[in-house]
Amino acid sequence: EDKVVQSPLSLVVHEGDTVTLNCSYEVTNFRSLLWYKQEKKAPTFLFMLTSSGIEKKSGRLSSILDKKELFSILNITATQTGDSAIYLCAVERGNDMRFGAGTRLTVKP
Amino acid sequence: DAGVIQSPRHEVTEMGQEVTLRCKPISGHDYLFWYRQTMMRGLELLIYFNNNVPIDDSGMPEDRFSAKMPNASFSTLKIQPSEPRDSAVYFCASTPLRGGNEQFFGPGTRLTVL
Repeated sequence: EDKVVQSPLSLVVHEGDTVTLNCSYEVTNFRSLLWYKQEKKAPTFLFMLTSSGIEKKSGRLSSILDKKELFSILNITATQTGDSAIYLCAVERGNDMRFGAGTRLTVKP
Repeated sequence: DAGVIQSPRHEVTEMGQEVTLRCKPISGHDYLFWYRQTMMRGLELLIYFNNNVPIDDSGMPEDRFSAKMPNASFSTLKIQPSEPRDSAVYFCASTPLRGGNEQFFGPGTRLTVL
């Protein structure tokens, strides 16, 4: 059965800390892996990864995919309170998209 | 473009009532998705359409749920009869292409079934 597993499920850090969020997957017909940030509204897109080993960066956020080991990580450096959110990992399969349960990140001042 | 539009934003209803959720995708997007989000199960794909045709409805929980897309600019998700366990946030999303493309989500409809 296809699955997408995120860890940790929740994380509490202080401003300035660096965090690493994990997403492992087992799916058939893998097409891409996407990261979303969800605050008190609909998820907003962060990254799309299709190739192994190529890091994508956007400001303090970065992500990389390992298609051999079937996982991806999302790094956030110098965290800020505004980074507090649920981070969703989604894997696009042949016909649809499977989401992980998400990691709830809380950044304390 | 105003983005994906959903209505209503909030719906409170009583068990047994029919509920209809509405979605207007971004103009030009050929794919439309309906998701349900709960604390217990996270974000689940219910059904998706390509060019108004339902492609995969294997995520629809049961026969009480149905979805239609009569034209490229409108889709509905109907629950009849509704049950308390249907309480969730329902998201609609659209994308212009398949194959690893970003999905644009609507604001969601928060459904509460009493």
